[in-house]
Amino acid sequence: DAGITQSPRHKVTETGTPVTLRCHQTENHRYMYWYRQDPGHGLRLIHYSYGVKDTDKGEVSDGYSVSRSKTEDFLLTLESATSSQTSVYFCAISDSAWSGRYYEQYFGPGTRLTVT
Amino acid sequence: AQTVTQSQPEMSVQEAETVTLSCTYDTSENNYYLFWYKQPPSRQMILVIRQEAYKQQNATENRFSVNFQKAAKSFSLKISDSQLGDTAMYFCAFMKHGVKGAAGGTSYGKLTFGQGTILTVHP
Repeated sequence: DAGITQSPRHKVTETGTPVTLRCHQTENHRYMYWYRQDPGHGLRLIHYSYGVKDTDKGEVSDGYSVSRSKTEDFLLTLESATSSQTSVYFCAISDSAWSGRYYEQYFGPGTRLTVT
Repeated sequence: AQTVTQSQPEMSVQEAETVTLSCTYDTSENNYYLFWYKQPPSRQMILVIRQEAYKQQNATENRFSVNFQKAAKSFSLKISDSQLGDTAMYFCAFMKHGVKGAAGGTSYGKLTFGQGTILTVHP
């Protein structure tokens, strides 16, 4: 199994509070992703990173920000959590295009976030 | 933008029988990858099978095979000899082919998922 951990695994928070989710990898992979999973929508890309300090928006980025100060960590922040951000959040990693195997994407165990 | 559609919210099958899950997609790209992922109750995302669009031969992985129809933009998953452990949510997913070395050309491996199909295998 790829070395990907997410913390916390479960969190309950109140509307309006800031929340940060952490993804940590030990694979030294260049690309990292944050997805959210909601019933009827599958997984949708929030933000992704293609290198340290290189990030970009995905399909559903409103209300989220990310940071990547080192290869192994990718942080997702909800500046002011809303009930619509109640979801399961998955981090994923893949190697760079230069490796020829960037299509192999490995997922973390997920974080269940509830915003009350 | 790409879209992926799974029109079967739920499916069920008897143990040892065969079941086919449907997926259609829409894209203007010519080079891409298609995937089926399995998500059991543990919530872990597990890659089941991958198909490169430039390959005419359908991918197979043990009891899992696909029927890839590029012109029809269809990508179905067939599970043969279904087992109780196959009970899970199955997601179809699309990825643009990355362009190595082209400035700004890489897809960075972003996945677009379908809505998922819940498969239940009955004993």
